Amino acid sequence: ETGVTQSPTHLIKTRGQQVTLRCSSQSGHNTVSWYQQALGQGPQFIFQYYREEENGRGNFPPRFSGLQFPNYSSELNVNALELDDSALYLCASSLGTDSYEQYFGPGTRLTVT
Amino acid sequence: GDSVTQMEGPVTLSEEAFLTINCTYTATGYPSLFWYVQYPGEGLQLLLKATKADDKGSNKGFEATYRKETTSFHLEKGSVQVSDSAVYFCALRVQGGSEKLVFGKGTKLTVNP
Repeated sequence: ETGVTQSPTHLIKTRGQQVTLRCSSQSGHNTVSWYQQALGQGPQFIFQYYREEENGRGNFPPRFSGLQFPNYSSELNVNALELDDSALYLCASSLGTDSYEQYFGPGTRLTVT
Repeated sequence: GDSVTQMEGPVTLSEEAFLTINCTYTATGYPSLFWYVQYPGEGLQLLLKATKADDKGSNKGFEATYRKETTSFHLEKGSVQVSDSAVYFCALRVQGGSEKLVFGKGTKLTVNP
């Protein structure tokens, strides 16, 4: 059973650019949640996807968008990058939206200069 | 809104010392409560959980009791090891909607031999 994987591990972008981060959920999991973890802070919920549909969104602007594919892998897209978008982006998968356990990937470290 | 407050770190202990990390919460509904641990360079791992008042979660020698009257979920361990060095996050989840996790800011624990 493979765990949650994320790519790339690290990424450096320039302000105003666009970025796509990828997540492969744990085998059999149909729900993916994305979190942003700024340095020294706890993770903050961005949004969740359940069976390819958005199932809830945190307090993030529309330039943060996502997709979930039929194999339940997911993408997080961020347009018009700002310096404050520099953070660790975590993906978590679970089986259903009512699962008590979300399995987290190692994250993608995004630096915006 | 829902929020979690953790004791400020960092916390530095000697091996075999007693550990307490305080966590209090504010929630509009009846939350489930969690402790997650993040080792260097890794994603978050669920350490323990409690889903209703007076429940005690336990794992790997760590314990936390869901105290509704004091809205607290303090993490304790009787004898810490060097391998327990990590960042610990308290989190809550209120049922309904996206089942998102709300995290505290984290407490960094360093255990010295």
